[in-house]
Amino acid sequence: SQTIHQWPATLVQPVGSPLSLECTVEGTSNPNLYWYRQAAGRGLQLLFYSVGIGQISSEVPQNLSASRPQDRQFILSSKKLLLSDSGFYLCAWSRRDTQYFGPGTRLTVL
Amino acid sequence: QQQVKQSPQSLIVQKGGISIINCAYENTAFDYFPWYQQFPGKGPALLIAIRPDVSEKKEGRFTISFNKSAKQFSLHIMDSQPGDSATYFCAARSGSSNTGKLIFGQGTTLQVKP
Repeated sequence: SQTIHQWPATLVQPVGSPLSLECTVEGTSNPNLYWYRQAAGRGLQLLFYSVGIGQISSEVPQNLSASRPQDRQFILSSKKLLLSDSGFYLCAWSRRDTQYFGPGTRLTVL
Repeated sequence: QQQVKQSPQSLIVQKGGISIINCAYENTAFDYFPWYQQFPGKGPALLIAIRPDVSEKKEGRFTISFNKSAKQFSLHIMDSQPGDSATYFCAARSGSSNTGKLIFGQGTTLQVKP
């Protein structure tokens, strides 16, 4: 069966510090991968998606970047965090129809 | 045209009642319509999904009703229970894309009172 992991689960970072969130998927190959952000009490905002290694599409111009160094690894990064980067970050994978979400990372920027 | 509009934003239902959440879309290229359930602090989980070639799909207490001509679909939760209290998202996917991108509604927070 397929499993999706995200870490860390929670993170508190100062403004201006770098960020690296990691997502890995097990039990499938060549998945589509996605990064979402969810502000408190809000909907799901798609940030990036990837259909293959090294292929990244950005949905929203912002302070973040994404990379896919391996087939089942997706990384979300920032060089300098802003207060507005706080939120719940969700990674998801799909093959064919359904997207499956990871457990999420709660990021607080102070 | 890429939007999915979801209503209501919040919903309070008594235990045993029926919860109904509605979604509407414009893009006729959408060919897959899932619903997700999200508990606080957790990632969304697929609840039930439908394709436009059927008008209704039922799984346990959860039913999707689909009206292709009106471009609307809804989630019905029968015999609602306090454990159903969560945020629900509808979504749609364009069949013309190989990216698998889903367009999500804004979510409905459901509270089921005991």
